[in-house]
Amino acid sequence: NAGVTQTPKFQVLKTGQSMTLQCAQDMNHEYMSWYRQDPGMGLRLIHYSVGAGITDQGEVPNGYNVSRSTTEDFPLRLLSAAPSQTSVYFCASSGLAGAVYEQYFGPGTRLTVT
Amino acid sequence: GDSVTQMEGPVTLSEEAFLTINCTYTATGYPSLFWYVQYPGEGLQLLLKATKADDKGSNKGFEATYRKETTSFHLEKGSVQVSDSAVYFCALIMNTGNQFYFGTGTSLTVIP
Repeated sequence: NAGVTQTPKFQVLKTGQSMTLQCAQDMNHEYMSWYRQDPGMGLRLIHYSVGAGITDQGEVPNGYNVSRSTTEDFPLRLLSAAPSQTSVYFCASSGLAGAVYEQYFGPGTRLTVT
Repeated sequence: GDSVTQMEGPVTLSEEAFLTINCTYTATGYPSLFWYVQYPGEGLQLLLKATKADDKGSNKGFEATYRKETTSFHLEKGSVQVSDSAVYFCALIMNTGNQFYFGTGTSLTVIP
């Protein structure tokens, strides 16, 4: 059982370049989300999805796009990278454990924008 | 809105010391409460949870009790080890929702 997988683990981009961070889960969870983690800021929600075809913005959505064509995959796109997007990105999926949701995280993608 | 506040770090302890990391919450309804742990270079892992008032969550020697009267969920461990060095996050989810709210994290370093 792989859980939540993310690729790549590390990435360096130049300002203005685009890229897609991949995220997949094999737990059949409807709810998936993307966070960024910055020193002293904790986790901030970028976008989330409550099921295939349904996405919504979180706390810090500017500069990022998402889509959800399947239950398993939830890619995050940076259309024109900026140094302010240097961060560690975590994908998570949530499923019911009893009557309460639990959230499961991927290992993260460490992105540097120069 | 719903939110979590946890004590600022970093926290440095000697091995076998007692650990407390404070967490308080604000919620309009009835949340479930969680502690997650992040080891260096890894993603967050669920450490323990409690789903209603007076519940105690426990795992790997860590404990936290859901205190509705003080809106708190403090993390404790009686004797920390070097391997407990990590960042700890308190989180909540409303029992009627599916969005998580995280604290800013508390970094713990345990020295031999």
